[in-house]
Amino acid sequence: QVQLVQSGAEVKNPGASVKVSCKVSGYTLTELSIHWVRQAPGKGLEWMGGFHPEHAERVYAQKFQGRVTMTEDTSTDTAYMELSSLRSEDTAIYYCTAGRFLDFVGLNHWGQGTLLSVSS
Amino acid sequence: DIVMTQSPPTLSVSPGERATLSCRASQSVSSNLAWYQQRPGQAPRLLIYDASTRATGIPARFSGSGSGTDFTLTISGLQSEDFAVYYCQQYHNWPPLTFGGGTKVEIK
Repeated sequence: QVQLVQSGAEVKNPGASVKVSCKVSGYTLTELSIHWVRQAPGKGLEWMGGFHPEHAERVYAQKFQGRVTMTEDTSTDTAYMELSSLRSEDTAIYYCTAGRFLDFVGLNHWGQGTLLSVSS
Repeated sequence: DIVMTQSPPTLSVSPGERATLSCRASQSVSSNLAWYQQRPGQAPRLLIYDASTRATGIPARFSGSGSGTDFTLTISGLQSEDFAVYYCQQYHNWPPLTFGGGTKVEIK
């Protein structure tokens, strides 16, 4: 059974960066395609980026290009999402989520979410 | 980008009744559509993929249909744990993966 366990809540000032971790167990990172989805308070789901099986590379939503970096440490089966130049609109719950590695048919494993608050 | 539009925004249904949720894509997504359920305070959960295939462990009262631009999620015999927000997501042409705005199913 796949489990995704994320790091704890963060409070950041505008302009700062945040790095959220996502520890995978039950599978290895190389068996999954990791994606990051965020949800602002009271709002819907917004995809930030993740691994594209056909492109065989990580792809990002244009909105976050240049501001987000997603990495993976296969030695510890931990994925990371770093978001820089934070602003108040980045206040949200950030979810690590995973789908099948070879083809995308939905995101069937989710972390518990990490609350990021950006405020001066 | 493919825009996903869900309707209605809120659906009031009595326990035991049927709920029918709609999702429309701005262009054809073939059958590359997923549905998610999100209960209050919880992470989303995959219900349906490829428009009509139930994910592992999902009860048979959840069913999906449609292809191209119009899709439906039907929940038969609503139970208390089914009152939640439901999202559709296309994965036909990405990046970006795009979600609909959600439909909240509430108790009537």
